[in-house]
Amino acid sequence: ETGVTQSPTHLIKTRGQQVTLRCSSQSGHNTVSWYQQALGQGPQFIFQYYREEENGRGNFPPRFSGLQFPNYSSELNVNALELDDSALYLCASRPRITGELFFGEGSRLTVL
Amino acid sequence: AQSVTQLGSHVSVSEGALVLLRCNYSSSVPPYLFWYVQYPNQGLQLLLKYTTGATLVKGINGFEAEFKKSETSFHLTKPSAHMSDAAEYFCAVSEETSYDKVIFGPGTSLSVIP
Repeated sequence: ETGVTQSPTHLIKTRGQQVTLRCSSQSGHNTVSWYQQALGQGPQFIFQYYREEENGRGNFPPRFSGLQFPNYSSELNVNALELDDSALYLCASRPRITGELFFGEGSRLTVL
Repeated sequence: AQSVTQLGSHVSVSEGALVLLRCNYSSSVPPYLFWYVQYPNQGLQLLLKYTTGATLVKGINGFEAEFKKSETSFHLTKPSAHMSDAAEYFCAVSEETSYDKVIFGPGTSLSVIP
């Protein structure tokens, strides 16, 4: 039990729609990262938030955006969904000192 | 820029045999190194990590890994495979700052044959 929870667990959208995925981080972890894991691939870094500000971003377009809130929760928003956005989206929180990521179970997004 | 390569997208071993999963990394500064395991339809679970100090790191479920700076490697081993070890394994690297991103390799799928 990592203490990181994500919702929803599964969802289906159609191309062009928008989606919001939610994550509740582990208490005391002030860094949250989001990853996209396509089928059969390793997680790809989307972005990272520290103290409610984005402080690192991977190779993802601006239609991927996020928020981090003071209560350790965060959101991943994806606009103008494309078929290739179908993937497992993983949220991970990270304590300042030790560096390892604690993952949630993920939200599986299917775009039709 | 950091990167991770994992040799062999799929590895099969017999139950009781040695498990060896290979990982090489590139990093411009001393790295933090991790191995994660993912079971079907689940998130990732940390097996072990190297930050500083002893280069042989022991993790959960009998796994261990050795950091070899000269070879830029962090291979994962387990002396005797169990059926329950069948899963996807990911090597990951981050640089030696607390807030840097963690970069994952493409993963190795481990099958254990009875």
